Amino acid sequence: DQQVKQNSPSLSVQEGRISILNCDYTNSMFDYFLWYKKYPAEGPTFLISISSIKDKNEDGRFTVFLNKSAKHLSLHIVPSQPGDSAVYFCAASNQAGTALIFGKGTTLSVSS
Amino acid sequence: DGGITQSPKYLFRKEGQNVTLSCEQNLNHDAMYWYRQDPGQGLRLIYYSQIVNDFQKGDIAEGYSVSREKKESFPLTVTSAQKNPTAFYLCASRGSTGARSYNEQFFGPGTRLTVL
Repeated sequence: DQQVKQNSPSLSVQEGRISILNCDYTNSMFDYFLWYKKYPAEGPTFLISISSIKDKNEDGRFTVFLNKSAKHLSLHIVPSQPGDSAVYFCAASNQAGTALIFGKGTTLSVSS
Repeated sequence: DGGITQSPKYLFRKEGQNVTLSCEQNLNHDAMYWYRQDPGQGLRLIYYSQIVNDFQKGDIAEGYSVSREKKESFPLTVTSAQKNPTAFYLCASRGSTGARSYNEQFFGPGTRLTVL
């Protein structure tokens, strides 16, 4: 049973517009969430994170929103750029904080 | 430069052979991890180690083995018992050096294993 779900396998956005990537989780004990970006045949790189005590965290063009009651988080990229085209993984920290649980990823395509 | 290295980038093996994937880090991180990625799938945890000479099974440990004799190294052996070993394997480490966020894991470039 998937504990972290990214229900949209893909998303296409025009350059300059907003990209919104969504993530849902089922385990209410998760208390830390991270977003990773991954290019083909490379390792994921960390983008941004949020603690469960916050509802928003911003870093440049990237903002993550957390809705604990809905067990939902989203990553906003504004403005989107062609270099943002990649697979984005949502990850949650387990109760012991020792490992990350990943979603299946969303492939973002930004066209110029 | 500090980071994680995995070798080789591509690996081919015949069915029934054991193969060992290398993972080295010079970040002085205590924790290390092995994940497997299949097409359309997320990263699934195989094994992890919080400290030298100690490791725990992840969600899909069957058919794999690891060792952690040194802090810098966490090799993964894919044994002949692994039913479907062809995949992209990723090693990661976690610690305070270079981290911008609690629980951030740093990933290596990955090894693509193909079993013929």
